[in-house]
Amino acid sequence: NAGVTQTPKFQVLKTGQSMTLQCAQDMNHNSMYWYRQDPGMGLRLIYYSASEGTTDKGEVPNGYNVSRLNKREFSLRLESAAPSQTSVYFCASKKGQGNTEAFFGQGTRLTVV
Amino acid sequence: GQQLNQSPQSMFIQEGEDVSMNCTSSSIFNTWLWYKQDPGEGPVLLIALYKAGELTSNGRLTAQFGITRKDSFLNISASIPSDVGIYFCAGQRTGNQFYFGTGTSLTVIP
Repeated sequence: NAGVTQTPKFQVLKTGQSMTLQCAQDMNHNSMYWYRQDPGMGLRLIYYSASEGTTDKGEVPNGYNVSRLNKREFSLRLESAAPSQTSVYFCASKKGQGNTEAFFGQGTRLTVV
Repeated sequence: GQQLNQSPQSMFIQEGEDVSMNCTSSSIFNTWLWYKQDPGEGPVLLIALYKAGELTSNGRLTAQFGITRKDSFLNISASIPSDVGIYFCAGQRTGNQFYFGTGTSLTVIP
């Protein structure tokens, strides 16, 4: 019963470095999401994938790219990290279209110095 | 953005007291969800609401989907120390996007 698994759990980057955050779910869900969480801001949607092969921008997509590698995996890439991208990143998945609940991973705490 | 207005921002209560928090929006939602987040963890779903006026309980937690579809309420009865955490509301209209509130931080004093 792994649910949604994110790697790594912690990461420190220097400004300008690139990295990819990984997310995998084993619930056979169609939709996957990437959020960032900043103090006092709640969770803001970066990108989502409604189904395998599709991706769409959320509220705050600038500076990020995503890949829906297959039904299980949805990765988030920072091509050139900036201090403003210091945040906690959460991946989530849900069954698909319609009114169903989303399940979250444990988060990746990223610091850009 | 589409962030929801959640209040209060923080609460400090005595163990055994009841807690109420709410979430409001200028937009109509078709689904309301309530999540709890413990330190260092991802949000965990507490209650899901799918119909206007719906009242749903999960143990000591009760949540309601407002009649106007623009708000939702969460009540916790007889609070205990493990209720400590941040509570988030989330709303969904149609399609796939959820919009989250800014969270209510709950501290329970033994």
